[in-house]
Amino acid sequence: QQQVKQSPQSLIVQKGGISIINCAYENTAFDYFPWYQQFPGKGPALLIAIRPDVSEKKEGRFTISFNKSAKQFSLHIMDSQPGDSATYFCAASALTSGSRLTFGEGTQLTVNP
Amino acid sequence: DTGVSQDPRHKITKRGQNVTFRCDPISEHNRLYWYRQTLGQGPEFLTYFQNEAQLEKSRLLSDRFSAERPKGSFSTLEIQRTEQGDSAMYLCASSLRGSGGFEQYFGPGTRLTVT
Repeated sequence: QQQVKQSPQSLIVQKGGISIINCAYENTAFDYFPWYQQFPGKGPALLIAIRPDVSEKKEGRFTISFNKSAKQFSLHIMDSQPGDSATYFCAASALTSGSRLTFGEGTQLTVNP
Repeated sequence: DTGVSQDPRHKITKRGQNVTFRCDPISEHNRLYWYRQTLGQGPEFLTYFQNEAQLEKSRLLSDRFSAERPKGSFSTLEIQRTEQGDSAMYLCASSLRGSGGFEQYFGPGTRLTVT
């Protein structure tokens, strides 16, 4: 059972544009939602994360929007740069049950110069 | 560099051989996780330790897989009688339980190829 669904599978954006990646989850016990960035041949790097007690969190050019009632959350990358070209994964975990992460399928982002 | 480290970075083995991977977490982190990632997919949870205790194992972790974390420091993941389906990137992550810390930090991974 896929507990975290991510879309789109791939995304092409022009430099300076906004990249938007969406995730939906099923398990209402999830209470921690991080986003990871992964370059080829590297491990995932934590970008930004949110808990369900807030609806939005911003760090630099990265913003998470969270909708608890819809069980959805999204990553917005403002002023996208070619260096942002990577695979992005959303994830979710239940902190009361070991905090193991359940990942989405990933979004391949390409930012054209 | 005080991040998570993994060794080796790449391993090529023949089907039926045993392999062992090592993970060194961030020094003060008490939780250590193993994940497996196949091409084009997100990482999948395998198992995790809090200090030296193995607290959870995924059903993905067959009898051929075993993990240890002696003395709550580094961890090893062993795969016995490897199969071609074991080819994947094996990722280790660590976190600090308590003090409000939830973040998991990943190492660079070990790429396993079974021929």
